[in-house]
Amino acid sequence: GENVEQHPSTLSVQEGDSAVIKCTYSDSASNYFPWYKQELGKRPQLIIDIRSNVGEKKDQRIAVTLNKTAKHFSLHITETQPEDSAVYFCAASSVTNAGKSTFGDGTTLTVKP
Amino acid sequence: DAGITQSPRHKVTETGTPVTLRCHQTENHRYMYWYRQDPGHGLRLIHYSYGVKDTDKGEVSDGYSVSRSKTEDFLLTLESATSSQTSVYFCAISGPGPEQFFGPGTRLTVL
Repeated sequence: GENVEQHPSTLSVQEGDSAVIKCTYSDSASNYFPWYKQELGKRPQLIIDIRSNVGEKKDQRIAVTLNKTAKHFSLHITETQPEDSAVYFCAASSVTNAGKSTFGDGTTLTVKP
Repeated sequence: DAGITQSPRHKVTETGTPVTLRCHQTENHRYMYWYRQDPGHGLRLIHYSYGVKDTDKGEVSDGYSVSRSKTEDFLLTLESATSSQTSVYFCAISGPGPEQFFGPGTRLTVL
């Protein structure tokens, strides 16, 4: 089955700096890669996703890049703000079989004011 | 929040008792999922459903069963709860695309 590894497990940055979280996956059949943000005591919420037919996707201060050859994808947050502090999860699945989503173990991002 | 509710939101029970958690959606989405979330393990899939009466196992299905008799409801049952099943349980839905939307979660404590 699919295996997703996420690094780092914790990340601390100063407000205004950039943050990068990386994930690797094992199943070359995976073609859908979402990122979720989970604030303390809340539910995970989808913040951005990418499909394997594109290499990069941006939405304001966040972006995701995908390298299919190396089987890794990354989340980039620019101009970090204290409200970006949360746990971030990556996941990998098939567009046609989302039931087989595999999640990374999460990265706790702390943005220091 | 995508029309998903979970009940109960908190439950404390004793080892060996049966427990049923309910997920209800108002979005008419085809897919529904149950995950458990434990510190250091992210979200692990227990079972999922791809339609009424159609379900499949996830990576941590032992000790759990599910049922889906209506599009809007997906039930997770712990036949005989154990302390290792203490966790936060999230329901999620998706469809027609692969994007998943999560419910508010149920915190279950098994003493």
